[in-house]
Amino acid sequence: AQKVTQAQTEISVVEKEDVTLDCVYETRDTTYYLFWYKQPPSGELVFLIRRNSFDEQNEISGRYSWNFQKSTSSFNFTITASQVVDSAVYFCALSGTGGGNKLTFGTGTQLKVEL
Amino acid sequence: ETGVTQTPRHLVMGMTNKKSLKCEQHLGHNAMYWYKQSAKKPLELMFVYNFKEQTENNSVPSRFSPECPNSSHLFLHLHTLQPEDSALYLCASSQTGTSWRDTDTQYFGPGTRLTVL
Repeated sequence: AQKVTQAQTEISVVEKEDVTLDCVYETRDTTYYLFWYKQPPSGELVFLIRRNSFDEQNEISGRYSWNFQKSTSSFNFTITASQVVDSAVYFCALSGTGGGNKLTFGTGTQLKVEL
Repeated sequence: ETGVTQTPRHLVMGMTNKKSLKCEQHLGHNAMYWYKQSAKKPLELMFVYNFKEQTENNSVPSRFSPECPNSSHLFLHLHTLQPEDSALYLCASSQTGTSWRDTDTQYFGPGTRLTVL
């Protein structure tokens, strides 16, 4: 069975601080995909990144960066110089060979960025 | 319209009512999904349609009845719901092939906030 754990339920930071959201996953599949989504108060899940299990290169997109470490089954997400608009719930998700196009989501991390 | 749209955005219904949620995707995808998001719980996959055929029913009660008339539209028909069915219902779509390697990104709509009285 697949499982995604986001141990941080809620994080509060002051604007311009850096913040890292943790994601730990479990799967028996040797090949799989990992995702991050952002859910602002409006409700829509916004896709941020997809990473396949063969690609352990870290990725940076503007103020966002992702650290994929297969050895520790983690796919952490860092926001640099956080802004109030980053306030949202962030979900990590996993799909694998056994699940076809099914995603297993973590419970999400609520990020609050204050002035 | 672009992306994935859902109507209505908010719905309040009694336990004896019948209502339908609508989802439309404008991305040319061939797979569509219904998810339920309750407070303090992970997103729960309810149904999956690939090429208009239902390929997944995640033990959803029969009071939820999905319909997929074509690859662009997905409905969720609701009848005799319970208060615990109150949640945010999210629709998603993706371009998916015949093997897991075609797993592609799921794009979500804004959701329908459902309240059952």
